[in-house]
Amino acid sequence: AAGVIQSPRHLIKEKRETATLKCYPIPRHDTVYWYQQGPGQDPQFLISFYEKMQSDKGSIPDRFSAQQFSDYHSELNMSSLELGDSALYFCASSLRLGEETQYFGPGTRLLVL
Amino acid sequence: KQEVTQIPAALSVPEGENLVLNCSFTDSAIYNLQWFRQDPGKGLTSLLLIQSSQREQTSGRLNASLDKSSGRSTLYIAASQPGDSATYLCAVTRLSGSARQLTFGSGTQLTVLP
Repeated sequence: AAGVIQSPRHLIKEKRETATLKCYPIPRHDTVYWYQQGPGQDPQFLISFYEKMQSDKGSIPDRFSAQQFSDYHSELNMSSLELGDSALYFCASSLRLGEETQYFGPGTRLLVL
Repeated sequence: KQEVTQIPAALSVPEGENLVLNCSFTDSAIYNLQWFRQDPGKGLTSLLLIQSSQREQTSGRLNASLDKSSGRSTLYIAASQPGDSATYLCAVTRLSGSARQLTFGSGTQLTVLP
C-alpha cells in the first residue's frame, strides 16, 4: 500500500539558510499534518491543512510557513534557520471522512550547523 | 492544555512475557487516541486507533483499551518478542471543531530480551 512520502530524507544546512521540506500524502487523503521531533523528545504539532486550507496551527515559529497544493502535496518552508531547528520533521496524512488515523511518513532529518 | 503521560518511561522484559504500557491524559474531551511504535531514528508506525466512543481495539498480539472518563489507556502486548523492542507512543486528538492535531506522550522504551 502507498505510504506518505517525504523528501529529502536528510538535509544539512547552515545557520540563517532556508530549507524546504516536501510531503506527498497517501492518495485520496485530504488532510496533512507537520510535526517536529527534537532529539530525545516527543513529536510536537506544527501545522495542518484540510482540503488545501490551513486547519490548525501549533507551535510553528513565525520563520516557518507551509502550504498545501492543488495535488494535496504540502511543503514546509523554513527560513533563517537556527541551531535549535535541528530535528526530525514528520508529515502525516489522514482521511477526514474515515476513522482519521494519521499515517506518518519516514521523516526528514534536518541538521543545522 | 492537554498533557499526556506514559508510564513507565522504560521497560525491559524477557521474551514471551505479556506486558502492559500505560498512558494517561488530563483532558477527557478527546476525539480519538492512537498508539504508535517508533524504532530509533525512524518514523512512527500507527498500531491502533481507538475512537472516543470505543472501549478497546485489537490487532494481532496487541490490545488497546480506553477509559475516557478516567483519562487512561493501556496497550497490552501478548507473548512479547525481541522484534517488539521499540519506543511506544500514545497520542490523543482533541475534540475541537475540525482540529485533529495529535498530542503525544513521551513514550515507553521497551526492550524485549531474547
